[in-house]
Formats: sequence, structure tokens, C-alpha cells
Amino acid sequence: DGGITQSPKYLFRKEGQNVTLSCEQNLNHDAMYWYRQDPGQGLRLIYYSQIVNDFQKGDIAEGYSVSREKKESFPLTVTSAQKNPTAFYLCASSIVAGPNNEQFFGPGTRLTVL
Amino acid sequence: GQQLNQSPQSMFIQEGEDVSMNCTSSSIFNTWLWYKQDPGEGPVLLIALYKAGELTSNGRLTAQFGITRKDSFLNISASIPSDVGIYFCAGQEGRGGSQGNLIFGKGTKLSVKP
Repeated sequence: DGGITQSPKYLFRKEGQNVTLSCEQNLNHDAMYWYRQDPGQGLRLIYYSQIVNDFQKGDIAEGYSVSREKKESFPLTVTSAQKNPTAFYLCASSIVAGPNNEQFFGPGTRLTVL
Repeated sequence: GQQLNQSPQSMFIQEGEDVSMNCTSSSIFNTWLWYKQDPGEGPVLLIALYKAGELTSNGRLTAQFGITRKDSFLNISASIPSDVGIYFCAGQEGRGGSQGNLIFGKGTKLSVKP
């Protein structure tokens, strides 16, 4: 059963703490992406990775970090430097990066900072 | 960053009605994608469009890639209650360092008429 999994579904953290969101895919996709979604807004790109051991900043990378040590995994760390971290975080993947490649999304992680 | 104008922002439907929504951009796109998102879930890809003028159907859904490559529309015929949700358009550029990155509209929220 191929797909993209994100864990946990809900995450609570105290101010000042770093937290890592998991994203795994078994679709054999080269490219992976992290988006942030706020109420009433479209998705905004945080980071993307076109291939293992490589990643690029998206439009709103400040306060976030990623790693891509394995093809299947693209974890996102929300650091204490992120000023407004409460949001819905979505991970996506595509066969390769580039035009005409559809992105498929995971179920999302809702992060709430207390 | 770049944005897509998606309209309407929200609409109420009665079962059996046809629904139409569209997205426009100031930039040319090589690909248009339409997604549906249910509350608390990740977006699900509905239709992908790759050529200017292309008209593609998926069941009761029909989408078109505008001739100018700057717009796209999505129609839903004979709506049913499970059509409620948020529909997003996404455009994909074909050149430059961010090749393949999606730019999302802010969504059209479909609700059932009370």
C-alpha cells in the first residue's frame, strides 16, 4: 500500500522547544516538499528536496530546518526561532522535481504551540 | 512571492447544482493542478492539465487549461453532499531555479446550503 505518511497527526509543544515532524514515502519518488497551511490561506512552500542529500529553501524557510539522508524520509524541524509555528504542516512528493510532475500529499500534522 | 487569484472564495451549493470556479495568474504556467482538501486532511489530486486548451474530465469534474496559459477553471456537475470541501488550484512553472514548484491559490470553500 504505497503512499505518504506523516506523524504524529497532532503535536503540541511549549514555546522555546524545537520539534521534528516526520514524513515518509514508499512511492520511490525523488522529490519531497514541506508546506505550511494557515486558515484561509493557500499552501506555502517551506523547503524542498530534489534528491537525497540535497535540499533548497522555499518561500518561508526561516525558523525551519530539514534533512534528506534517505530517499524515503524528509523530516522537518520547527525551531524555537520560528515566531508563529502553530499551523497545519503538509508533506508532499513527486516522481522527480520539474514541470509536469504531480505532487501527492500526506495527511498532514497539526502543530499547536502552547 | 507569486500568487494565484482563485475565485470565488466560498460558495454554497444545493445538491444537484453545477459548480464552477477558476484561477488566474499574471504568469504563464506549464501545468495546472486541481486538488480537493477535506477538513484536517491533506489535499487530494483531482485533475492535472499539461497543455494549453486541454479539457480533461474525471467523473463529474471537468477542468480546462486556458489558451493563454494564465488561467484554468474547474466545473463540478450535479453536485452531491460529499463534494463539500476546499478546492485548490496550483500552477507549476517550467523554468528557473524553482522549476517544478507549485504555486497555490487560496482555495474555494464549498458548503451545503442550509
